[in-house]
Amino acid sequence: DVKVTQSSRYLVKRTGEKVFLECVQDMDHENMFWYRQDPGLGLRLIYFSYDVKMKEKGDIPEGYSVSREKKERFSLILESASTNQTSMYLCASRKGQGLSYEQYFGPGTRLTVT
Amino acid sequence: AQSVTQLGSHVSVSEGALVLLRCNYSSSVPPYLFWYVQYPNQGLQLLLKYTTGATLVKGINGFEAEFKKSETSFHLTKPSAHMSDAAEYFCAVTGGSQGNLIFGKGTKLSVKP
Repeated sequence: DVKVTQSSRYLVKRTGEKVFLECVQDMDHENMFWYRQDPGLGLRLIYFSYDVKMKEKGDIPEGYSVSREKKERFSLILESASTNQTSMYLCASRKGQGLSYEQYFGPGTRLTVT
Repeated sequence: AQSVTQLGSHVSVSEGALVLLRCNYSSSVPPYLFWYVQYPNQGLQLLLKYTTGATLVKGINGFEAEFKKSETSFHLTKPSAHMSDAAEYFCAVTGGSQGNLIFGKGTKLSVKP
């Protein structure tokens, strides 16, 4: 079974703090993704990576950055957290570029910024 | 550009009743379509997917979906709802230059005893 793990299930941070969300997958998948999920808006793609040290902006990259130094790990960074970044953050991984391949999701991190 | 519309943000059914969750997509190329389920406080889990071939796709937990190209639809059904089916369901289509998923806004399913 593919396992995607996220470093925290719940996180509370203060406005202006630098926040790191970590994601690790154990199936040697090339592609990794970060989404945020908000009620009524579904999932929106923040960033994705199709290889080590490679990254591409998704639909809502503003206020976020990412890092992928190793194939199994994909980090989402909030440089200066703001209250409008309070959300559920979901990481996913996928094998290769094949369009028919499904994405496997982690359990999510619920981030609250106060 | 690809897009997904899920009709009904909330659907309520009685236990044992038919479940029908609607999904319509827009795609300029032959689509790959997915249904995911999210139980409370969990990540998303794949229910089923359509790539090519048979248009009726069977998934886990007794769910199935039918790809209808003429209607640009991929509705999810289950003949008999169970209490454990209460969750949020997301339809998605492959889009973008890297084949990323475009998600619908989700449908929350409630099952009444």
